[in-house]
Amino acid sequence: NAGVTQTPKFRVLKTGQSMTLLCAQDMNHEYMYWYRQDPGMGLRLIHYSVGEGTTAKGEVPDGYNVSRLKKQNFLLGLESAAPSQTSVYFCASKKNEKLFFGSGTQLSVL
Amino acid sequence: KNEVEQSPQNLTAQEGEFITINCSYSVGISALHWLQQHPGGGIVSLFMLSSGKKKHGRLIATINIQEKHSSLHITASHPRDSAVYICAVRWRDTGNQFYFGTGTSLTVIP
Repeated sequence: NAGVTQTPKFRVLKTGQSMTLLCAQDMNHEYMYWYRQDPGMGLRLIHYSVGEGTTAKGEVPDGYNVSRLKKQNFLLGLESAAPSQTSVYFCASKKNEKLFFGSGTQLSVL
Repeated sequence: KNEVEQSPQNLTAQEGEFITINCSYSVGISALHWLQQHPGGGIVSLFMLSSGKKKHGRLIATINIQEKHSSLHITASHPRDSAVYICAVRWRDTGNQFYFGTGTSLTVIP
């Protein structure tokens, strides 16, 4: 039982490049979330999903897209990366009001 | 605007001291979570509260719904307690989304 696994752990992109972050959970959780963490700010919700095939926008969705084709996977895409998307990204899943976090992805956009 | 505020922002304590971290929020909530983020970045869930008090080892979390306030206490603090402690709430009117405080950075000195 690995919990919540995020890949990659680190990535450097040039402005305009695209990439996909993968979040996988093996706990059969319905709810999954993508957050970004920036210095001096709390975690902010980008997008979330309440089940397979469903996604919804969070607080800061612009510049990101997501997909939840399989219950265990929640993908976060950046189509055209911008320096403002330099951040640490966390995926989380929830069951019975308990949150489980991935270990984070440190993304730098130059 | 719904807000979550934590105090203090930074806290340094001597080993063995009793520590209190505070969280205040602006409107009604369904649940409040306390999370711990280790220096390596990983985030773990400590408590979920909707009323009253919970205890786990040396950690105690309380919530006062009327005053919209929660506290996290650490008894007999130890250097391994050094971490960032984060308060997160699920507002009553926003369903499955969580909103996070900016965290309290705790350093316990031997």
